[in-house]
Amino acid sequence: GESVGLHLPTLSVQEGDNSIINCAYSNSASDYFIWYKQESGKGPQFIIDIRSNMDKRQGQRVTVLLNKTVKHLSLQIAATQPGDSAVYFCADLGGNEKLTFGTGTRLTIIP
Amino acid sequence: EPEVTQTPSHQVTQMGQEVILRCVPISNHLYFYWYRQILGQKVEFLVSFYNNEISEKSEIFDDQFSVERPDGSNFTLKIRSTKLEDSAMYFCATTRTGPNTEAFFGQGTRLTVV
Repeated sequence: GESVGLHLPTLSVQEGDNSIINCAYSNSASDYFIWYKQESGKGPQFIIDIRSNMDKRQGQRVTVLLNKTVKHLSLQIAATQPGDSAVYFCADLGGNEKLTFGTGTRLTIIP
Repeated sequence: EPEVTQTPSHQVTQMGQEVILRCVPISNHLYFYWYRQILGQKVEFLVSFYNNEISEKSEIFDDQFSVERPDGSNFTLKIRSTKLEDSAMYFCATTRTGPNTEAFFGQGTRLTVV
C-alpha cells in the first residue's frame, strides 16, 4: 500500500545549527504535504505545508522542499533553538480526505 | 489563537466498557477528524466528518466506533466495547474549508483500557 516514511528516527543538532529532516512518500497522487511538530504529551502542531505545484516554501525559520521526481520531502529548520526539540512528522494527502503520517523523527537540540 | 479542545485528557476504562471522547472544534471549522496514536507509533487516521455525516473512514474504524455531533458543537467519538488494543492517544482535528488545508489538532485524550 501507499506509505509515507522517514529516513532517520533520531537526529541531534547543536543549538544554533541548521537541521534537515527528510521524508519519502510513495503515493504519486499525493498533492498536499504537511510537516507537524509533536512535543511530548501534546497533539501534532502544524508547521508548514506545500502543494505539489511548488518545489519550495518558506516560513519563519523553516523551509520545506519538495522533489516530486524522487518523491522526497524535507524540512529545514534554521538556527535551531531548544524549543525545537520534538518529534517531527511529515504527512500527505493523496486524493482522499485522510492525512497519512510518517513514523516521525525525534529531533534533539544540544545546548 | 483558536484551538481544538478535547475532554477528558485521560480516561481509564475496563475492557468491554463504552467510552465517549469529546471534542469542541474551532467555531468556524466545517471538517472534523479523529486520529489515534498508539504509544511510540505514528498517527493514524480513523474518520472524517462533514455536514453531519462520515465522509471517509479507515479500516480501523469498525462497527465498534461511531461519531456524531449531537448538539452542533461537541464532536464525539464513541467506542462501544473497548478492547485492550484500543489503548492509545486519540486526537481530534478540524479544518476550516477542507482536508487540503491546515488541520488543527487537539491535545488528545489518552485512553487506557485495562
